[in-house]
Amino acid sequence: DAGVTQSPTHLIKTRGQQVTLRCSPKSGHDTVSWYQQALGQGPQFIFQYYEEEERQRGNFPDRFSGHQFPNYSSELNVNALLLGDSALYLCASSLWQQETQYFGPGTRLLVL
Amino acid sequence: AQKITQTQPGMFVQEKEAVTLDCTYDTSDPSYGLFWYKQPSSGEMIFLIYQGSYDQQNATEGRYSLNFQKARKSANLVISASQLGDSAMYFCAMREGGGNTPLVFGKGTRLSVIA
Repeated sequence: DAGVTQSPTHLIKTRGQQVTLRCSPKSGHDTVSWYQQALGQGPQFIFQYYEEEERQRGNFPDRFSGHQFPNYSSELNVNALLLGDSALYLCASSLWQQETQYFGPGTRLLVL
Repeated sequence: AQKITQTQPGMFVQEKEAVTLDCTYDTSDPSYGLFWYKQPSSGEMIFLIYQGSYDQQNATEGRYSLNFQKARKSANLVISASQLGDSAMYFCAMREGGGNTPLVFGKGTRLSVIA
């Protein structure tokens, strides 16, 4: 039973560039949530996708956008990167209305 | 106001001993869920244990148990018989309302297990 997978594992970008991160949910899950974890902090919710629509969004600017595909996989896009976007980006999957979210290994993004 | 408070930035425990990691929460919603996750240095968040606000008994999963004190709004994680592999960051998180609401995390506690 495949768990949540994310790609790439590490990424280095420069300010102003754009980045796309990818996530495949755990087998059987239909809901994907994205979190940003800055160094020394707990994860913060970015947004959640279900049935290919953004269902909920945290306090993040429009530079952060996403997509969910018919196979439930998801992408997180960040435009006009800032130094402060450097973080670990975690994807979590679950069944809609189910309690527990299962996380992937994350993508470490460094913006120079 | 912080919804999840973890007051212990770091904890040390001797191998084979038990350790309690503290977590207090703040919510006015009668329906909520409390979670503990373990994050090793690799970065992956590993789900450990869940407690629903209406659950009558404290949750247990192997060596992990959740000491749920609703009136005090605390949800402490107890790890019994600590192992070297338990060394990691531990995060307490809460979900308010329905099952699809996002998780709110505390700042975490770094646990170090000493041989």
